Amino acid sequence: EVQLVESGGGLVQPGRSLRLSCAASGFTFDDYAMHWVRQAPGKGLEWVSGINWNSGSINYADSVKGRFTISRDNAKNSLYLQMNSLRAEDTALYFCAKDGGDYGDFGHWFDPWGQGTLVIVSS
Amino acid sequence: QSALTQPPSASGSPGQSVTISCTGTSSDVGGYNYVSWYQQHPGKAPKLMIYDVIKRPSGVPDRFSGSKSGNTASLTVSGLQAEDEADYYCSSYAGSNNLEVFGGGTKLTVL
Repeated sequence: EVQLVESGGGLVQPGRSLRLSCAASGFTFDDYAMHWVRQAPGKGLEWVSGINWNSGSINYADSVKGRFTISRDNAKNSLYLQMNSLRAEDTALYFCAKDGGDYGDFGHWFDPWGQGTLVIVSS
Repeated sequence: QSALTQPPSASGSPGQSVTISCTGTSSDVGGYNYVSWYQQHPGKAPKLMIYDVIKRPSGVPDRFSGSKSGNTASLTVSGLQAEDEADYYCSSYAGSNNLEVFGGGTKLTVL
């Protein structure tokens, strides 16, 4: 069974940093691109960042570009999101999602999703 | 990088059909056949329902179908059931710079 488990969320002050992790199991991790998607409380989904199988193709939403860094460690079957210069508007549930594309490249759909880790940015 | 436009709400009675629209531009929905749809029940993670505009993953009932015309994609739920009540989100590839964009979501109520 494919499983994605996020961790690393918590309460952090504005301007500080946080690193999220996503542990993957049940599939060959380095065969797939991966994504981070977030959902502010009571709001809709917002795509944050995506990374292909070998980290050769990385993209970010404009809202996080220059502040967030996505990375992966295929040896550890793990996906990461380094979040710097956090703002109140970054408060959200952060989901890790497996891309559905073949050969490790982007297929532009997300399946499955983890249960999310909550990040609260507040003083 | 603007969000795709979805109606905030939709509703139907059990057994009826309902269609949810998702409007973008020629730079996203209209430019590629990479529209997907997700169902999210309260407190749960989103679940893939449709990908590549019309494809249905195994395990998703064939009551769910997708289509696209120009810059607008649609999700149709036929034979509505109580368990279909949820939030639905569309997503589209938006080019090599912005990669992916979601719609604002539609709350589907089964009357």
